[in-house]
This record gives sequence, structure tokens and C-alpha cells, in this order.
Amino acid sequence: DAGVIQSPRHEVTEMGQEVTLRCKPISGHDYLFWYRQTMMRGLELLIYFNNNVPIDDSGMPEDRFSAKMPNASFSTLKIQPSEPRDSAVYFCASSAGRGTEAFFGQGTRLTVV
Amino acid sequence: QKEVEQNSGPLSVPEGAIASLNCTYSDRGSQSFFWYRQYSGKSPELIMFIYSNGDKEDGRFTAQLNKASQYVSLLIRDSQPSDSATYLCAVTDNTNAGKSTFGDGTTLTVKP
Repeated sequence: DAGVIQSPRHEVTEMGQEVTLRCKPISGHDYLFWYRQTMMRGLELLIYFNNNVPIDDSGMPEDRFSAKMPNASFSTLKIQPSEPRDSAVYFCASSAGRGTEAFFGQGTRLTVV
Repeated sequence: QKEVEQNSGPLSVPEGAIASLNCTYSDRGSQSFFWYRQYSGKSPELIMFIYSNGDKEDGRFTAQLNKASQYVSLLIRDSQPSDSATYLCAVTDNTNAGKSTFGDGTTLTVKP
């Protein structure tokens, strides 16, 4: 398996634009997590899914953020409208079961100017 | 108070020394404990996991867990310059469907 695949690797966008980040989890993994990492706040869990169903979105900063998982092999994180304070590295991770190791994608470095 | 706290560091040790990284957590319901290593500009990768009280050894790495004290540590023996990275402690409450909470990380530098 190629691991968790994220795209794009880098995204530079202007404030107010819509940004969509994509993730393909490892095949067979039941859990999918979206994290955001910044120097100031560290690694924060935004939302996670179990069997394609959102379980906990309490980490989503505000309504500008939304996430979907239409099937077991694909998830998106959307920011609309984007703001400079959204600049961060966004990681997608997946795991095979409850309380097991999370495998991280390479991340998407988002810069909002 | 954060749910998972780590020594802020940075931690610097000479090559060949033992590096000790510490982590405390607040949720007594926590069941699974992980140490991830993150090189600059890269994604976190798992080094060790531990579920039961006591020590768990894997090569140069030893994880120690004390649930009564809500404390988990990582020891790196014979530290190498290639161990220089940020180490993240993660704690999972199995009753909450496997949600993991990460500490802010400790940056380790091993000097040749």
C-alpha cells in the first residue's frame, strides 16, 4: 500500500478563496483523521470519521471549515472562505481500529495570503 | 491545563548519551499511548506504543507507562544525530472511538 495520500502538497491561495484538501486513506482502515499543525498550537485534531461517518468535529475552528467522506477511500477538507490565519500544515491520518497507530500522510502546506 | 503535556524542550544530549522524554496526561480513561517522531518538514511516524503499565523495549527505545501517576516516558539509549527530531506523545481514550490527543512535542538535538 502506498500509505495515506494527500493532495495537493502545497497550496497558496488568496484570502477569501475556497480551498479543498484531499486525502486517500490506507485501504482497509476504518478511521480517518484530519489534523492541523502550527508552531503556536501544535498538532490539533479537527475532525475524525469512523466508517465514513463523522464522529467528532469539535476541533473544527468555525463554520468556514467542513469535511466530508463520501466513501471509504476518499475524504475532503474544505475551507470557505479562507483567511491568513488558516495557514498551516494539514495532515490526514488513518488507522485500522480503535486505539491503534495512526498513519499520517505527507501533509498539505497551506498558505493564505 | 492541556490534556497531554510534554517537556517543552529543546533537549540537547551528546551522541551516545541517554535521552529522556516525558509526557503526562489528564484523562484517567486513557488506554493507549504512542510516541511519534517528526523530522522537520515531515509527517509524524510511530516509534513506540504501550498499553500496559511497565516498560516496553524496542531496540534503543524504551517506553515506560505509569497509569497511576498518569505518566509515560520515552528513553533513547545510545542517542545518534539521526535521532534529532521532535517527539510527540499521543494518548487515546478507547471509549471515545479512538480519538488521539497529541502533546506539543519535545525537540531533541543529539550533538556529535
